[in-house]
Amino acid sequence: NAGVTQTPKFRILKIGQSMTLQCAQDMNHNYMYWYRQDPGMGLKLIYYSVGAGITDKGEVPNGYNVSRSTTEDFPLRLELAAPSQTSVYFCASLGQGAGEQYFGPGTRLTVT
Amino acid sequence: DQQVKQNSPSLSVQEGRISILNCDYTNSMFDYFLWYKKYPAEGPTFLISISSIKDKNEDGRFTVFLNKSAKHLSLHIVPSQPGDSAVYFCAASDSGGGADGLTFGKGTHLIIQP
Repeated sequence: NAGVTQTPKFRILKIGQSMTLQCAQDMNHNYMYWYRQDPGMGLKLIYYSVGAGITDKGEVPNGYNVSRSTTEDFPLRLELAAPSQTSVYFCASLGQGAGEQYFGPGTRLTVT
Repeated sequence: DQQVKQNSPSLSVQEGRISILNCDYTNSMFDYFLWYKKYPAEGPTFLISISSIKDKNEDGRFTVFLNKSAKHLSLHIVPSQPGDSAVYFCAASDSGGGADGLTFGKGTHLIIQP
């Protein structure tokens, strides 16, 4: 099992550009999450999904969109990148709705 | 307003001694707590968890204690080893297991001195 994978590892965007951060898991987990971590801070929940076709907002959803068309994939879309979105983004998944979340290696995004 | 607080940004402990990392929370609806360990340029990895119906959970060198009345939990690592040097995050959930996502503290950087 590869677990949770994320691409790309690094990306630099100009203000106003858009991009999609990819996340995939091969553990057949229903629950998936996107977090962001700013320097010196804890992780904050952006969006989550409890299954294919179902998504919900977390603590900091503004400026982002998500979709969940399959169990395996949970992409995060930035439409109009802003410097405030410079962060490290982590995707995670959870098996049965309880227990530990498994995290991907992260995507480091810089918006200039 | 921070609901999960780790008030020590860093902690230095000698190899072989006990490391104690602390975490406080303000939301009385939290019922499930986890500790994650994170190395630079990697994602967090799960260490240990505890449900609010317990006051202690042990897994090898790691023990988590929960004091609900004080809204406080701590992670004990005995004995501390060089590979334990990392950032440790305390996380909490009010959805009975984390299904709706986790609330994280800012982390404590643990440094194990040889």
